[in-house]
Amino acid sequence: NAGVTQTPKFRVLKTGQSMTLLCAQDMNHEYMYWYRQDPGMGLRLIHYSVGEGTTAKGEVPDGYNVSRLKKQNFLLGLESAAPSQTSVYFCASSYSRLAGEYEQFFGPGTRLTVL
Amino acid sequence: GENVEQHPSTLSVQEGDSAVIKCTYSDSASNYFPWYKQELGKGPQLIIDIRSNVGEKKDQRIAVTLNKTAKHFSLHITETQPEDSAVYFCAAPDRGSTLGRLYFGRGTQLTVWP
Repeated sequence: NAGVTQTPKFRVLKTGQSMTLLCAQDMNHEYMYWYRQDPGMGLRLIHYSVGEGTTAKGEVPDGYNVSRLKKQNFLLGLESAAPSQTSVYFCASSYSRLAGEYEQFFGPGTRLTVL
Repeated sequence: GENVEQHPSTLSVQEGDSAVIKCTYSDSASNYFPWYKQELGKGPQLIIDIRSNVGEKKDQRIAVTLNKTAKHFSLHITETQPEDSAVYFCAAPDRGSTLGRLYFGRGTQLTVWP
């Protein structure tokens, strides 16, 4: 049981390049999330998904797109990378333990640098 | 959406001392408050949580208290050890939209000196 995995672990892009970050979970969770973590800013939600084929915007969605074609995978795309997107990106998945309780399981993160 | 504020942003304690991190939230309807620990180079991991019908919950050296009237909750770590050094995040749920979404505080960097 690998939990939540993220690919790649590190990436350096030039401004204007595109890339896709892959998140996979093997826990059969319905909900999946993409966060970015910047110094002093905590975890900010980019996009999330409440089930296969559905996605929604979070707090900071501009410049990113997502897709959830399969329940176990959640992809985050940067169409034209900008230096402001330099960050550590975390994927998470969750389930409902009890009504109103959702434990999120996080991946190890992807460190992205945009030059 | 929910607004979660967390203090302090950094905290240094001597091994064996206690550490307290405090969070406030804005939505009085919120009823579930988790705490996550992030070790260096890893993703956050849930360490303890509390529901709004409970005032305090303990798990060995960590405890969380909740004051619904004042809309704040705190993480207490007793007999701190160097392995407690990490970033700690509090969170509260988004009651107004899709289930499962959490709003996180900005984090507290705890350093425990031997």
